[in-house]
Amino acid sequence: GQNIDQPTEMTATEGAIVQINCTYQTSGFNGLFWYQQHAGEAPTFLSYNVLDGLEEKGRFSSFLSRSKGYSYLLLKELQMKDSASYLCAVQDSNYQLIWGAGTKLIIKP
Amino acid sequence: GAVVSQHPSRVICKSGTSVKIECRSLDFQATTMFWYRQFPKKSLMLMATSNEGSKATYEQGVEKDKFLINHASLTLSTLTVTSAHPEDSSFYICSATVGREDYNEQFFGPGTRLTVL
Repeated sequence: GQNIDQPTEMTATEGAIVQINCTYQTSGFNGLFWYQQHAGEAPTFLSYNVLDGLEEKGRFSSFLSRSKGYSYLLLKELQMKDSASYLCAVQDSNYQLIWGAGTKLIIKP
Repeated sequence: GAVVSQHPSRVICKSGTSVKIECRSLDFQATTMFWYRQFPKKSLMLMATSNEGSKATYEQGVEKDKFLINHASLTLSTLTVTSAHPEDSSFYICSATVGREDYNEQFFGPGTRLTVL
């Protein structure tokens, strides 16, 4: 079966760094996405990884290891507005997105 | 660019009535749109893929007669929840893809929160 695992909830302090992990088992792999979703709103695109390594985009970075079926999203210099759910999604061999349940990130002052 | 709108954003209806949700791509043409539903603290669940000019492709377990999808033009797809029941209460989100150099990026509408009394 297809499976995406990520922690349900994480807590971090404003100004700190947090890493949200995602492991996956899917039928084929055509890239991994990270999306941010604020409560009651639709997801917004953060990053896409298809090759191994680290992709940096401002305060956010995303890492992928295809051999390990593993990715993480790294958020630096956390701000209160970063409080949201972070969704990991893998594009399978049919180019269909398989979604994780999301990680709720709580930022404390 | 690549803005997707949804209407209405919230709807409350009585059990047994039908509700139509519109999804529009405002500044691009979308031959394919996707309809998701999301329960609280749960993942996005793909319901169906809406194809312009042809029938939608439904995921296993989704009743096509209950969730009617019409993709009448390259910028509009509609989802009609027929004979709604309280268990249909959920957050419904549509999306459309825009082709980038290396991947297809999904743009989501703001979602519609349906409450069936």
